[in-house]
Amino acid sequence: GAVVSQHPSWVICKSGTSVKIECRSLDFQATTMFWYRQFPKQSLMLMATSNEGSKATYEQGVEKDKFLINHASLTLSTLTVTSAHPEDSSFYICSATYGSPGDFFGQGTRLTVV
Amino acid sequence: QKEVEQNSGPLSVPEGAIASLNCTYSDRGSQSFFWYRQYSGKSPELIMSIYSNGDKEDGRFTAQLNKASQYVSLLIRDSQPSDSATYLCAVKGTGGFKTIFGAGTRLFVKA
Repeated sequence: GAVVSQHPSWVICKSGTSVKIECRSLDFQATTMFWYRQFPKQSLMLMATSNEGSKATYEQGVEKDKFLINHASLTLSTLTVTSAHPEDSSFYICSATYGSPGDFFGQGTRLTVV
Repeated sequence: QKEVEQNSGPLSVPEGAIASLNCTYSDRGSQSFFWYRQYSGKSPELIMSIYSNGDKEDGRFTAQLNKASQYVSLLIRDSQPSDSATYLCAVKGTGGFKTIFGAGTRLFVKA
């Protein structure tokens, strides 16, 4: 099946700093990728749809200036959490579709802001 | 009303039994339906997809879809301890773009 690689798998950062998470499609080109956030014991919440070569589409309530998304190539999308605060601590997951309508997910990034 | 609803569980079944997981959705225009399995601390993995009314079987898994009742289910036969995980029901609408996830049902299979 299609492989989506996400890096880093975990990161700890200080409050007020920025963190970049990368999502790569390894064996296919992904014109669209999705970014999700998942808090403990809760479901995946779609944050934004990342479109190659154009601006991302953010879900209602997601601050686009805080969660910067860049999809500069067909195989790479990045999510930057700017001025991170402890409440941003969460599990961030990217996904892409390839062929079938189901999503292929990256491994996820556990962000802890201290 | 949540767009995709699942019983959060936990659902506990003995090893070898059938686990039955249920899901309802609100958008009648939904076209594609999925079950994902998520182990603790890991990202979801797709285990079943179904697009038309009826049953779809894949190994020990059977997905059932009833669009009139807006209901999707997943049956796991001969449940194994390794099936213990959270099962996420997911739906894509007429646009076929965004996936909406339910909150997930935690399944425990007791050895």
